[in-house]
Amino acid sequence: EAGVTQFPSHSVIEKGQTVTLRCDPISGHDNLYWYRRVMGKEIKFLLHFVKESKQDESGMPNNRFLAERTGGTYSTLKVQPAELEDSGVYFCASSPGSYTYEQYFGPGTRLTVT
Amino acid sequence: AQSVTQLGSHVSVSEGALVLLRCNYSSSVPPYLFWYVQYPNQGLQLLLKYTSAATLVKGINGFEAEFKKSETSFHLTKPSAHMSDAAEYFCAVSPTQGGKLIFGQGTELSVKP
Repeated sequence: EAGVTQFPSHSVIEKGQTVTLRCDPISGHDNLYWYRRVMGKEIKFLLHFVKESKQDESGMPNNRFLAERTGGTYSTLKVQPAELEDSGVYFCASSPGSYTYEQYFGPGTRLTVT
Repeated sequence: AQSVTQLGSHVSVSEGALVLLRCNYSSSVPPYLFWYVQYPNQGLQLLLKYTSAATLVKGINGFEAEFKKSETSFHLTKPSAHMSDAAEYFCAVSPTQGGKLIFGQGTELSVKP
């Protein structure tokens, strides 16, 4: 069984540019989560999809971030326009259903905004 | 709001020594508690979880953690460290089943030969 995959693994962009991160969850997992770790800080929750619906987006920092999950499968996280403080590692995780505990994490995308 | 505190951003032990990584949480209700490990260039992997069953939880790779409600703690231990245990360890709490995880700051574990 393939794990959670994220693309790209690294991205370096200039301030003001747009970047789109992609996450492919484990097949059949309804729940998909995005997290972010800024250097030196803790991993912070961004949002949670159940299938294609946003269950909780309380962690989204501002309206420069847009997350989508087309057809309840893969998800994208777009940052437009990127700012220096958006640099960090973006993790995606997935879990099977409503009564589960474990979230399975991808390797993360390291975003550097210069 | 719930929060997690990990005491010590870096812990160094000798191979064969006891590993103790500390985690305290704040929660107004019994939480779900987790320890994750991240090896270099990999995603986070679940070590163990507490979900209101047994207070002593055994995980993978010989790790275990004890939930102590009176101390609001969930410390991670391993009797004998191995070189392969070198990684970053994260304690996390979830206020609801299947909901978001709230992480501590992480503890980098180094194992000396």
